[in-house]
Amino acid sequence: KAGVTQTPRYLIKTRGQQVTLSCSPISGHRSVSWYQQTPGQGLQFLFEYFSETQRNKGNFPGRFSGRQFSNSRSEMNVSTLELGDSALYLCASSLPTPVNEQFFGPGTRLTVL
Amino acid sequence: DQQVKQNSPSLSVQEGRISILNCDYTNSMFDYFLWYKKYPAEGPTFLISISSIKDKNEDGRFTVFLNKSAKHLSLHIVPSQPGDSAVYFCAAPHGSGNTGKLIFGQGTTLQVKP
Repeated sequence: KAGVTQTPRYLIKTRGQQVTLSCSPISGHRSVSWYQQTPGQGLQFLFEYFSETQRNKGNFPGRFSGRQFSNSRSEMNVSTLELGDSALYLCASSLPTPVNEQFFGPGTRLTVL
Repeated sequence: DQQVKQNSPSLSVQEGRISILNCDYTNSMFDYFLWYKKYPAEGPTFLISISSIKDKNEDGRFTVFLNKSAKHLSLHIVPSQPGDSAVYFCAAPHGSGNTGKLIFGQGTTLQVKP
């Protein structure tokens, strides 16, 4: 069974630009969660989507948004990029239950210059 | 507010010895805990979990202990192997029900020396 895939793996953007990251969950997984990992803050929860609906949201500004499609694939978007948005963005998917045993993709390394 | 804390950023042990990684939590509503392992350039991989109705869960070389009164859990790896060298995160689901929102600790980097 294929794992969680994320594209692109690496991305370099400049301040003020916007970016869209993509995540394809494991087949049959309907929950997709996104996390930001930085050296200072560790892994921070961004949001979770289940059946195309945002079910949970972390404490991030509105510049961070996401969506989920009918095939469970998910995208996250960051608008008006800031230097502090440089991080590893991880996507995780899980079965409907237990949803908290999540399977992570390799991440997208975003660098904002 | 760091609800899940791993106070030791790093740990170094000799191959064959026991590795003990610690995790503390502040939210008494947490009733399930997970440990993840992360290698560089890879996403975290699920290792082992424990429900609050248990105080111990074992899977091969990995055992997790939960002390609810102390709000403390630990991961024991016996015997430690060089391939265990990685960053270890403890995590807890936040909120009621079957939530996909995990709260992670800061991680502990384990180095197992041959």
